[in-house]
Amino acid sequence: DSGVTQTPKHLITATGQRVTLRCSPRSGDLSVYWYQQSLDQGLQFLIQYYNGEERAKGNILERFSAQQFPDLHSELNLSSLELGDSALYFCASSALRGGIGETQYFGPGTRLLVL
Amino acid sequence: GNSVTQMEGPVTLSEEAFLTINCTYTATGYPSLFWYVQYPGEGLQLLLKATKADDKGSNKGFEATYRKETTSFHLEKGSVQVSDSAVYFCALNDYKLSFGAGTTVTVRA
Repeated sequence: DSGVTQTPKHLITATGQRVTLRCSPRSGDLSVYWYQQSLDQGLQFLIQYYNGEERAKGNILERFSAQQFPDLHSELNLSSLELGDSALYFCASSALRGGIGETQYFGPGTRLLVL
Repeated sequence: GNSVTQMEGPVTLSEEAFLTINCTYTATGYPSLFWYVQYPGEGLQLLLKATKADDKGSNKGFEATYRKETTSFHLEKGSVQVSDSAVYFCALNDYKLSFGAGTTVTVRA
């Protein structure tokens, strides 16, 4: 158990809908990262928040947004969902702002299925 | 940009066989290198890491050495068990993790 929690574990929804994925980092960790794992794209970095502020952005679609709250939990919002958004979404956390040597610890993921 | 290339699978082995999974990287600067493992139906778990050239990471019988001259971080285990069946990901960290495609390893009893 990494100490990173994600809810829900599974999510089934329809195209055009909006969903929110939630992540609680390990106790004391200040950075939260979101990753998408799909069969065709592999594991891709979406976005990082550090202590409530966006720190780095990866291949995140404009339909997707995230935020980190004062208690450091984070939410990933996915809107106008398409079939291709079906994937496993991971949250990870690290202690500080995400330097090169920092280890990221992953949650169990949320499996999203868009029908 | 930074990228990681790892050997394609799937890899099927018998118990007690030797396992090698090749990983090479392209990066500017001096990233840290990681191996993560994903067991069926689970999230990613850190297996081992190395933060600078010539560092050797090790855990649970697995080893990998950060080779700057060959830009490689190959994963090895001398005697695999059925419980090692999983998907293994090589990754580099230059503030975000860039992952390889993953190698599926199946160990038969």
